[in-house]
Amino acid sequence: GAVVSQHPSRVICKSGTSVKIECRSLDFQATTMFWYRQFPKQSLMLMATSNEGSKATYEQGVEKDKFLINHASLTLSTLTVTSAHPEDSSFYICSARATSGGSYNSPLHFGNGTRLTVT
Amino acid sequence: DAKTTQPPSMDCAEGRAANLPCNHSTISGNEYVYWYRQIHSQGPQYIIHGLKNNETNEMASLIITEDRKSSTLILPHATLRDTAVYYCILRSGATNKLIFGTGTLLAVQP
Repeated sequence: GAVVSQHPSRVICKSGTSVKIECRSLDFQATTMFWYRQFPKQSLMLMATSNEGSKATYEQGVEKDKFLINHASLTLSTLTVTSAHPEDSSFYICSARATSGGSYNSPLHFGNGTRLTVT
Repeated sequence: DAKTTQPPSMDCAEGRAANLPCNHSTISGNEYVYWYRQIHSQGPQYIIHGLKNNETNEMASLIITEDRKSSTLILPHATLRDTAVYYCILRSGATNKLIFGTGTLLAVQP
């Protein structure tokens, strides 16, 4: 089945530094990927939609200059948390759907998430 | 996407069927019902989806009422590994987005 891989699975960084998280579709191509954030004991919150070859679309309240998204190929999207602060500590999850051969109602597949801790 | 309503938590005995309800009274004609689950500290896992007919796969069955205003996810023989938060989500053809609600925490008891 469709596999989405995230790297790293865990990262600890110091306040003020930037962290890059990678999301790869391993066995399919994805024109669109999605980035979510999840705080403890809460549900997933959609942050942005990542479109291959074009600018990402951010949900209301998400700072595009703080959460930089790059989707340079059909199998890779990256999320960079710039100038991270302790309040950015969270579980970041990406998802993707196969571009070719999939109908619009084919399921999205999720990565296993990245646990970011900012000290 | 229309909202869904799920009970916050449910218990189920190991080996018994788990029936997880979901209300989606404002569903529109082109919206599919999707079910995902999230085991602690992992990404969501796709379970099943349907439009108006009942669906079954190797993981679960999905029963959608005739008026499509509610549905039930059935895990036929729950195991301890089925303990997770189960999300019922509506998704339209107009968007690929999945907007998660609060889900149901299913606790399978030995």
